[in-house]
Amino acid sequence: DTEVTQTPKHLVMGMTNKKSLKCEQHMGHRAMYWYKQKAKKPPELMFVYSYEKLSINESVPSRFSPECPNSSLLNLHLHALQPEDSALYLCASSPNLFGLAGGYNEQFFGPGTRLTVL
Amino acid sequence: AQSVTQLDSHVSVSEGTPVLLRCNYSSSYSPSLFWYVQHPNKGLQLLLKYTSAATLVKGINGFEAEFKKSETSFHLTKPSAHMSDAAEYFCVVTSGYGGATNKLIFGTGTLLAVQP
Repeated sequence: DTEVTQTPKHLVMGMTNKKSLKCEQHMGHRAMYWYKQKAKKPPELMFVYSYEKLSINESVPSRFSPECPNSSLLNLHLHALQPEDSALYLCASSPNLFGLAGGYNEQFFGPGTRLTVL
Repeated sequence: AQSVTQLDSHVSVSEGTPVLLRCNYSSSYSPSLFWYVQHPNKGLQLLLKYTSAATLVKGINGFEAEFKKSETSFHLTKPSAHMSDAAEYFCVVTSGYGGATNKLIFGTGTLLAVQP
């Protein structure tokens, strides 16, 4: 299984809602990533988990809360979002972070969740 | 600091003609470079990668790229475009050299249109 899956595919939420995005991989990868992508822009890194521990937080607002309950699963909890948070949210995984196992580790991306905040 | 510049935001070719997507990079040491493709409403797929082995890198779907250190370039080519190649293409460089701080640095993307 060389796939990263993300659910849901689409999500519409109000500014007072609480929702969660889910990402799963069964490739045995120990690094997992959340990216945000606005239309016609490249992805922007939000969070990186390595061995289930938060390794990088790119100064993301606290209304986004990541969670890595186990080595296969990555969640992104959303609360009190703003309309400008509407975007495609991409999850990715790699065997390790670069350099920890020697050489570059390719990042495998999921199909994304299209989020609309009303 | 590392950076990558994609020289064209849009490229349009006819089906069956060659494709050239240009990318220049800036790096203070030997970089790892990648091309990713993103079809509409899809995630990113790795086309090919350069990690200091052969300078001519072959990827999936007939794409290849040549690492030219003297020109700091990593252009993506394909001899004959297919309609299914229409997508957004991102040139990417890694930011670090080992350790937990490594990140992908994305170019701004090139939208490839293929005309019948």
